[in-house]
Amino acid sequence: SQTIHQWPATLVQPVGSPLSLECTVEGTSNPNLYWYRQAAGRGLQLLFYSVGIGQISSEVPQNLSASRPQDRQFILSSKKLLLSDSGFYLCAWNNDTGELFFGEGSRLTVL
Amino acid sequence: RKEVEQDPGPFNVPEGATVAFNCTYSNSASQSFFWYRQDCRKEPKLLMSVYSSGNEDGRFTAQLNRASQYISLLIRDSKLSDSATYLCVVNRWMNRDDKIIFGKGTRLHILP
Repeated sequence: SQTIHQWPATLVQPVGSPLSLECTVEGTSNPNLYWYRQAAGRGLQLLFYSVGIGQISSEVPQNLSASRPQDRQFILSSKKLLLSDSGFYLCAWNNDTGELFFGEGSRLTVL
Repeated sequence: RKEVEQDPGPFNVPEGATVAFNCTYSNSASQSFFWYRQDCRKEPKLLMSVYSSGNEDGRFTAQLNRASQYISLLIRDSKLSDSATYLCVVNRWMNRDDKIIFGKGTRLHILP
């Protein structure tokens, strides 16, 4: 069966510090991968998606970036965090059926 | 107009009652539809897909109305554990990309 792992689960970072969130999927090959952010009391905002290794599409211009160094690995990064980057970050995958499966999320607080 | 719209609620419903909420979508090219459930501070989880003919899973019934461009979720005999936010999701192909659009969710509180 397929599983998705995301870490760290919680982190508190100062403004201006770097960020790296990792996500891996097991049990499937060539999945579509996504990074979403959910700010407090708000809906899900798509940040990046990837249909293959090295293929990243950005939905919202901001100080975040994503990389897909391996088929089942998706990384979200920032060189300098802003206060507005605080939120709940969710990695997800799907195949051609369209149903999305989410990781457990990473809760980021920028102080 | 937003592509996917939901009443944010909250819907405060006594235990055992039936509750229904709708989700409207604006793009007639939308192809597949889903309901997700999200508990507080947790990730969304797929509740059910929504098929053109409607589908039922236990106490939950989902329906699609393409003519009026909405989907619905009906929960019968509601339980305290049904308290959550319910997200409507619409999926369509655009320029060979799979676009997945989330509604902002409807909050449901089941009252004892």
